Amino acid sequence: GAGVSQSPSNKVTEKGKDVELRCDPISGHTALYWYRQSLGQGLEFLIYFQGNSAPDKSGLPSDRFSAERTGGSVSTLTIQRTQQEDSAVYLCASSLNPTVGNSPLHFGNGTRLTVT
Amino acid sequence: DAKTTQPPSMDCAEGRAANLPCNHSTISGNEYVYWYRQIHSQGPQYIIHGLKNNETNEMASLIITEDRKSSTLILPHATLRDTAVYYCIVRFYSGGSNYKLTFGKGTLLTVNP
Repeated sequence: GAGVSQSPSNKVTEKGKDVELRCDPISGHTALYWYRQSLGQGLEFLIYFQGNSAPDKSGLPSDRFSAERTGGSVSTLTIQRTQQEDSAVYLCASSLNPTVGNSPLHFGNGTRLTVT
Repeated sequence: DAKTTQPPSMDCAEGRAANLPCNHSTISGNEYVYWYRQIHSQGPQYIIHGLKNNETNEMASLIITEDRKSSTLILPHATLRDTAVYYCIVRFYSGGSNYKLTFGKGTLLTVNP
């Protein structure tokens, strides 16, 4: 079946511009996660959705970052007034049941964001 | 949350078994051990997970010690395509219902011809 889909796969933007990154989770998965990975670094948790609500936003690095999820499905991560340090691969993951530790996260291949 | 310790790198000959160790001495009773791998330029790929018992699937086997303080991921016949960073993760429960994954630095496994 279809996996987690992210678009665009690559995005180049000028410093100061806003960008939107999209994630289509696996159908039926109620939980959705955003992570980012800077060059040569590990994965950094950003935000978690259960349905359309975000009970854990602890990883968002600043108020320039926001995310929403509609219809319990598609999610959009928005970065306002982008900075060069925002350059990274932004990864989305979904899981079937976040209420147990026995439900794997499945990741997309990410959006590579480059801020020039 | 329980932390994990993995060697930064390992080598394995093609066709041989790759045994990747992981220490998680502070693991709690309800925390699962997960293994993921990340091949360059791709998102992390789920491999296997377990709680207490050993597990096997089409990709790998997971051996968890009886005291649950360490585990080993076994790729029975490594191929060049198995070259990747392998992450051992103890799944962290962060209140409410969020079992998020916290990634460490992992082990870079290089499979040599």
